[in-house]
Amino acid sequence: SQELEQSPQSLIVQEGKNLTINCTSSKTLYGLYWYKQKYGEGLIFLMMLQKGGEEKSHEKITAKLDEKKQQSSLHITASQPSHAGIYLCGADLNFGNEKLTFGTGTRLTIIP
Amino acid sequence: GAGVSQSPRYKVAKRGQDVALRCDPISGHVSLFWYQQALGQGPEFLTYFQNEAQLDKSGLPSDRFFAERPEGSVSTLKIQRTQQEDSAVYLCASSLEGQGVYQYFGPGTRLLVL
Repeated sequence: SQELEQSPQSLIVQEGKNLTINCTSSKTLYGLYWYKQKYGEGLIFLMMLQKGGEEKSHEKITAKLDEKKQQSSLHITASQPSHAGIYLCGADLNFGNEKLTFGTGTRLTIIP
Repeated sequence: GAGVSQSPRYKVAKRGQDVALRCDPISGHVSLFWYQQALGQGPEFLTYFQNEAQLDKSGLPSDRFFAERPEGSVSTLKIQRTQQEDSAVYLCASSLEGQGVYQYFGPGTRLLVL
């Protein structure tokens, strides 16, 4: 089973609509990283969360980490075609170890 | 450029062939990671270096996989006697040392084993 579950697996949203992607773990998330990937390209860093209850925003994207540090959400407001891609959450599940465990990703399609 | 670079970007190999994938990390980055990403999946950890020391190789799927970083900069991932199940995108990432620093990813090498 996946240590990091992402939902939904895919999402089709009309341009201008809001959307939320979730990332859940049964283990404590010592560091939670959101990345975006376009087909054939590497991962682009979006945001990093470390503290329970932390929330960060950049342009129209907001990421939150719950108080228990086991769930994170990524929210996009007023989606645009440029937001299309695959969103991946990655986490440090073993404190003191820098390697990341990733979810399976959420494929976001924006319909004009 | 200033980012992580990988070469080749695409590699087609016949089953049984050996391949070598190269990663040039960002200058000054102490930590270097290799991940394997199968189609439709998230990246999976393979191995991790801090400078030239390979601190974790728990994710290498078999003894056919070997990674090195002899001078603490460029790294090479070698796969011997490639199998069809080795077909994947191989991602390299680098970061500054320590906790709470994010990893910069390269564009990946897409390996297809026929």
